[in-house]
Amino acid sequence: QQQVKQSPQSLIVQKGGISIINCAYENTAFDYFPWYQQFPGKGPALLIAIRPDVSEKKEGRFTISFNKSAKQFSLHIMDSQPGDSATYFCAARNGGGADGLTFGKGTHLIIQP
Amino acid sequence: EPEVTQTPSHQVTQMGQEVILRCVPISNHLYFYWYRQILGQKVEFLVSFYNNEISEKSEIFDDQFSVERPDGSNFTLKIRSTKLEDSAMYFCASRRQNSPLHFGNGTRLTVT
Repeated sequence: QQQVKQSPQSLIVQKGGISIINCAYENTAFDYFPWYQQFPGKGPALLIAIRPDVSEKKEGRFTISFNKSAKQFSLHIMDSQPGDSATYFCAARNGGGADGLTFGKGTHLIIQP
Repeated sequence: EPEVTQTPSHQVTQMGQEVILRCVPISNHLYFYWYRQILGQKVEFLVSFYNNEISEKSEIFDDQFSVERPDGSNFTLKIRSTKLEDSAMYFCASRRQNSPLHFGNGTRLTVT
């Protein structure tokens, strides 16, 4: 129940295209859903995050869509650029006093020029 | 921009040895964390630390692991008797109250 399932495992998108990564969860106590970007040799860096009281959040080219009833959320990267090539992790945190993030398994995104 | 700093970047140790991984969190942060990432796999929560005590720990964080904030700036993870399966990237992270988590660049631990 603590799992966050992420798909696809890897994704290749042409430059200028839209990259879409999906996550699903079971635990309804999760109340915070961040996305992290990780480049080789670096730690994860927060990209964008959402709470379940909104259905969408946009920051620049990055958008999170959140479907509370389906217990799913997704990351959309518009106008994808080669510099976006990285591993992306969705995560969730239990609002019931728990502190640690539960991460998905990651998506290796390659943007082809 | 302030960063979470981890040392060393790579640590090689023999099975059964004790190892200490060091972190300097961002200076005005109050919540401290350790996560690990086995090569090619997801990031896993180990432990969180606040107000000089552990606030939450995962099943991975067994009696072989301990954390300490020995002074006002450092935050350490000790593994008492390393096993081969402890080989992973270990990430330290910190945050202020109600603010996002900032990760360091990790320490790659190799147990031989």
